[in-house]
Amino acid sequence: DQQVKQNSPSLSVQEGRISILNCDYTNSMFDYFLWYKKYPAEGPTFLISISSIKDKNEDGRFTVFLNKSAKHLSLHIVPSQPGDSAVYFCAVYAGNNRKLIWGLGTSLAVNP
Amino acid sequence: EAGVTQSPTHLIKTRGQQATLRCSPISGHTSVYWYQQALGLGLQFLLWYDEGEERNRGNFPPRFSGRQFPNYSSELNVNALELEDSALYLCASSHGQGVGETQYFGPGTRLLVL
Repeated sequence: DQQVKQNSPSLSVQEGRISILNCDYTNSMFDYFLWYKKYPAEGPTFLISISSIKDKNEDGRFTVFLNKSAKHLSLHIVPSQPGDSAVYFCAVYAGNNRKLIWGLGTSLAVNP
Repeated sequence: EAGVTQSPTHLIKTRGQQATLRCSPISGHTSVYWYQQALGLGLQFLLWYDEGEERNRGNFPPRFSGRQFPNYSSELNVNALELEDSALYLCASSHGQGVGETQYFGPGTRLLVL
């Protein structure tokens, strides 16, 4: 049973526009949320994170929003660039057991 | 600064054999994590080592085991290989100092069991 769900397997966006990637989770005990991106034949690369005590975190073109009541987080990329084309994973921590629980990923294609 | 390194990049074994995968963490990191990504599935947590000790284990059978050496590098051993063990095995490392730590990943070892 998926505890972390990324319901859109793929997303296509025009260069310069906003990309919005979504993630839903089931357990209100999850307290730390991370986004990674992954290129083929490489390991995941950390992008941005957010703690459950916040509802927004921003780093350059990347912003993560957390809605605890809806158990939903989203990653906004503005403006989108062709180099952003990759698979994006949402991952969450529950407590201090260091076990990251992952969504299945969303494949983002940014078209020139 | 060098990132997480893993070896070998690819490994081909036959059913019943043993596989050994290796990982070197980022310098200064004491925690090492192992994940499995099977085809069509998300990353599944396997093991967490910190300061040479196994700290947490995912829902995998005992034939998946590992260790962490005094220099913080780590080894994942998979005994009695089965076809469904074919997957990408990812190693990550972190500072090992707190809650919500960012884990930094290596490029992975792709294991194929025939």
